[in-house]
Amino acid sequence: AQKITQTQPGMFVQEKEAVTLDCTYDTSDPSYGLFWYKQPSSGEMIFLIYQGSYDQQNATEGRYSLNFQKARKSANLVISASQLGDSAMYFCAMTKAPSGGYNKLIFGAGTRLAVHP
Amino acid sequence: SAVISQKPSRDICQRGTSLTIQCQVDSQVTMMFWYRQQPGQSLTLIATANQGSEATYESGFVIDKFPISRPNLTFSTLTVSNMSPEDSSIYLCSVAGLAGTDTQYFGPGTRLTVL
Repeated sequence: AQKITQTQPGMFVQEKEAVTLDCTYDTSDPSYGLFWYKQPSSGEMIFLIYQGSYDQQNATEGRYSLNFQKARKSANLVISASQLGDSAMYFCAMTKAPSGGYNKLIFGAGTRLAVHP
Repeated sequence: SAVISQKPSRDICQRGTSLTIQCQVDSQVTMMFWYRQQPGQSLTLIATANQGSEATYESGFVIDKFPISRPNLTFSTLTVSNMSPEDSSIYLCSVAGLAGTDTQYFGPGTRLTVL
């Protein structure tokens, strides 16, 4: 069975600094995909970044980058130059196949990030 | 980019009643899913909504409690039946296959409170 672990219930960071949110996963599937989503207090889930298990390079999307270490089964999210609007819950999730979100997502417990001015 | 909408955005309901939540996408998608997020918790998949056939339910979720329809490639409904306070949650639909991408995108969610 697949499992996602996010060990940081809460994190805080000073505005304009970088922050790393941890995510480790467990799966016996040879192919899988890893996602990060942001959930503001409004409740919507905002897609941030995706990494396929066979991707050679770490994914990047603007200020977001995914530090993918396959041997360690970790997929940490790095947010550079934090902004006040980054304050939210962040969820790491995985799917069975490497073809993105066509299968169900298994979510971690989430990390609440607070950005301080 | 495509728009995913949900109706209602929030509701307060009495126990024993039922509520139907709608999910509408402004372009055709391959997959539609329904998730539940209980207060302070993470998201859990309820079912995959299959176009023209019965939904595929996850362990712990049954059709009698959460009937789902998907009449076409842009629309789905989730009904929460015979509600109890334990059904108070955010219900989110998600889609995959938008504009050829393989990312799973979420609707804005429906915040349900059962009294």
